[in-house]
Amino acid sequence: AQSVTQLDSHVSVSEGTPVLLRCNYSSSYSPSLFWYVQHPNKGLQLLLKYTSAATLVKGINGFEAEFKKSETSFHLTKPSAHMSDAAEYFCVVSDDFTSGTYKYIFGTGTRLKVLA
Amino acid sequence: EAQVTQNPRYLITVTGKKLTVTCSQNMNHEYMSWYRQDPGLGLRQIYYSMNVEVTDKGDVPEGYKVSRKEKRNFPLILESPSPNQTSLYFCASSPTAGESYNEQFFGPGTRLTVL
Repeated sequence: AQSVTQLDSHVSVSEGTPVLLRCNYSSSYSPSLFWYVQHPNKGLQLLLKYTSAATLVKGINGFEAEFKKSETSFHLTKPSAHMSDAAEYFCVVSDDFTSGTYKYIFGTGTRLKVLA
Repeated sequence: EAQVTQNPRYLITVTGKKLTVTCSQNMNHEYMSWYRQDPGLGLRQIYYSMNVEVTDKGDVPEGYKVSRKEKRNFPLILESPSPNQTSLYFCASSPTAGESYNEQFFGPGTRLTVL
């Protein structure tokens, strides 16, 4: 069965410092992994996705994530935080559609606060 | 513009009064899904559909129904809403092939309050 654990419910960083949002997953098949961002009172926007190609995935707005199968992790990073990065971030796992399972499992979210 | 639309965006209703939240996508996606978002719980999948006339339960299907009579539409039906269904609901669609394979596109959300 699939599962996702976001290890921090809240993260605070100063503007200009690195961001690390941690995600561990469990999947029986070759997973697809995603990070989505949700700004206050907004919908969800895809930041990046991993689908068994390169293990280091680059996304929008300077974010990237590295798929580490041995650690079952997919942590999200950004070298330098900007005030506009303040939002809630969700890690999501899905099995490949060819596996016969079609569910998406969301983590419980990490709220990122950026301090001036 | 490629998009997923939901209606209504906001709804306040009373216990037991049947309601339908509509969802429509114009991207010819095969896969569609409904989620509810509650504080501290993230998004939880209610139902999903792989194609027309093919639907299946997600993790929290109790109290909800769906139908997929056309590829573009995937309405969410609450036959007898209860206060514990007060939540923010999102519809999403995804292609099952191509460059955006498995990538979900989300609607703007519907905030439902059941009194």
